[in-house]
Amino acid sequence: NAGVTQTPKFRILKIGQSMTLQCTQDMNHNYMYWYRQDPGMGLKLIYYSVGAGITDKGEVPNGYNVSRSTTEDFPLRLELAAPSQTSVYFCASTLYSNQPQHFGDGTRLSIL
Amino acid sequence: GIQVEQSPPDLILQEGANSTLRCNFSDSVNNLQWFHQNPWGQLINLFYIPSGTKQNGRLSATTVATERYSLLYISSSQTTDSGVYFCAGHGSSNTGKLIFGQGTTLQVKP
Repeated sequence: NAGVTQTPKFRILKIGQSMTLQCTQDMNHNYMYWYRQDPGMGLKLIYYSVGAGITDKGEVPNGYNVSRSTTEDFPLRLELAAPSQTSVYFCASTLYSNQPQHFGDGTRLSIL
Repeated sequence: GIQVEQSPPDLILQEGANSTLRCNFSDSVNNLQWFHQNPWGQLINLFYIPSGTKQNGRLSATTVATERYSLLYISSSQTTDSGVYFCAGHGSSNTGKLIFGQGTTLQVKP
């Protein structure tokens, strides 16, 4: 049971490039979330999904897009990367909204 | 808006000492969770504690929802306890969106 798997673990992008951060969970969880963590700060919610085909914005969605075509996968897309998007990105999932969330190990992203 | 505040922001302990970390939250926050972020950046779920008290080895947590606070107790601290401790709660919606505090950075010295 792998839990929540994020790829890649590290990535350096140039300003204006695009990329997709992958997140997969094998627990058949309904709810999935993307958070970002800036240095010395707590996590902030970017986007979330309550089930396949349903996504919605969180607190800091600008510059990102998501899709949820399957229960297992919840990719995060960065278009036109900017230095302000340098951060550590965490994906999480849970079966029900009032249950603990399980986190992946994070993707450390630098935009130069 | 929803507020989650943690104290102290930083804490330095000698190995073997005990400590208490505090999390204050607004009345619209439910379902408190405590996390430990280790020096490698991994987030470890310590407790899911909407109310009451739970214990797991040297760690225990108490949430008093009516008074809008939660406490994390670390007894006989070890160097492996070092890292950042976060509390987080859900808002009033049923979407499970977590609101995180700013964290308490703990350093345990040998």
